[in-house]
Amino acid sequence: DTAVSQTPKYLVTQMGNDKSIKCEQNLGHDTMYWYKQDSKKFLKIMFSYNNKELIINETVPNRFSPKSPDKAHLNLHINSLELGDSAVYFCASSRDRGTGYTFGSGTRLTVV
Amino acid sequence: AQRVTQPEKLLSVFKGAPVELKCNYSYSGSPELFWYVQYSRQRLQLLLRHISRESIKGFTADLNKGETSFHLKKPFAQEEDSAMYYCALSVDQGAQKLVFGQGTRLTINP
Repeated sequence: DTAVSQTPKYLVTQMGNDKSIKCEQNLGHDTMYWYKQDSKKFLKIMFSYNNKELIINETVPNRFSPKSPDKAHLNLHINSLELGDSAVYFCASSRDRGTGYTFGSGTRLTVV
Repeated sequence: AQRVTQPEKLLSVFKGAPVELKCNYSYSGSPELFWYVQYSRQRLQLLLRHISRESIKGFTADLNKGETSFHLKKPFAQEEDSAMYYCALSVDQGAQKLVFGQGTRLTINP
């Protein structure tokens, strides 16, 4: 039973398109996150939601919009995709401080 | 500012040799540190956290506040240890936010 699941695993799309990535966790965690891993493998936080409320919003273009319909889901919608958006996007969840994150398997987004 | 530095992007050692992956941090608060591992084509997994002082897969890491370091060590490397390793610092920003280092790709040669 997958704890944090993301769909799709791979996404290839053209510049200018709008796409969504979905994330679900069945761990009962209150907090969920989106991280971006760039081509140099550097991981950077984008957003964090706690119980459907936006807590962390790093400097991310407003083309990126997270949506949390309930505390088990955190989706990421991206408008007007650009070449530089190509990366692996990881969803994660956590219970509380000190316990670390549980990560999803990642979504590899390629914008052509 | 919170920062995690892993000075080695690549590290290559022979099987059976000791391994040390370096991690230094910068944080004005009380640090909570983690090591994550990403095996080829797999998701990031928590390897260990400093508060539990555990040894996982033979790896240990000690928090040294004086040197602001949290180096990961293993006395005898195994081929299955080849992976990408990330050091991470937990900072409190309303929620637990992990700040990651740049990662070190560890290759164990037979």
